[in-house]
Amino acid sequence: DAGVIQSPRHEVTEMGQEVTLRCKPISGHDYLFWYRQTMMRGLELLIYFNNNVPIDDSGMPEDRFSAKMPNASFSTLKIQPSEPRDSAVYFCASSLGGGEKLFFGSGTQLSVL
Amino acid sequence: AQSVTQPDIHITVSEGASLELRCNYSYGATPYLFWYVQSPGQGLQLLLKYFSGDTLVQGIKGFEAEFKRSQSSFNLRKPSVHWSDAAEYFCAVVPYSGAGSYQLTFGKGTKLSVIP
Repeated sequence: DAGVIQSPRHEVTEMGQEVTLRCKPISGHDYLFWYRQTMMRGLELLIYFNNNVPIDDSGMPEDRFSAKMPNASFSTLKIQPSEPRDSAVYFCASSLGGGEKLFFGSGTQLSVL
Repeated sequence: AQSVTQPDIHITVSEGASLELRCNYSYGATPYLFWYVQSPGQGLQLLLKYFSGDTLVQGIKGFEAEFKRSQSSFNLRKPSVHWSDAAEYFCAVVPYSGAGSYQLTFGKGTKLSVIP
């Protein structure tokens, strides 16, 4: 298996623009997690899905953030409009059966100018 | 709410020296405990985990960790560090819910540098 695949690896955008981050989990995994990593706050869980259904989005910082999982092999995290404070590395992770063992993607480095 | 503290932001050791990275958690019951490693530009990889049973847990890459309930600690150790171990290490906690779904809370990480 190719592992968790995230795209793009790097994204540079201007404030106010819409940003879409993509994730393909490992085939057969039933949980998908979106994390944000910054120097100040470390790794924060934004939202997670179980069988494509959002279970807990309490970590989503604002209404500007939204996430979808239209099928078992694809998820998106959208920021609209983007702001400089959204600059971070965004990780997607998937697992089988919950948080026992997460497999992380390589992340998307987002820079909002 | 549970929390995880990694007191050391950055540690530097010489290659071949022993290593101990500290992790303390705050939670009423015994949670599930994990150590993950992050190499530069990469996602996190699971090193080891503790759920119950033997308090000394063996992981990949020669790492081990010991759970000490009295100290609310789960320190990571390696007897002899290799240059390739240079990375950032994260301790993580999941409260035991028994429901089969988990949410990891990560510490802020400890960056390990290795001197040749």
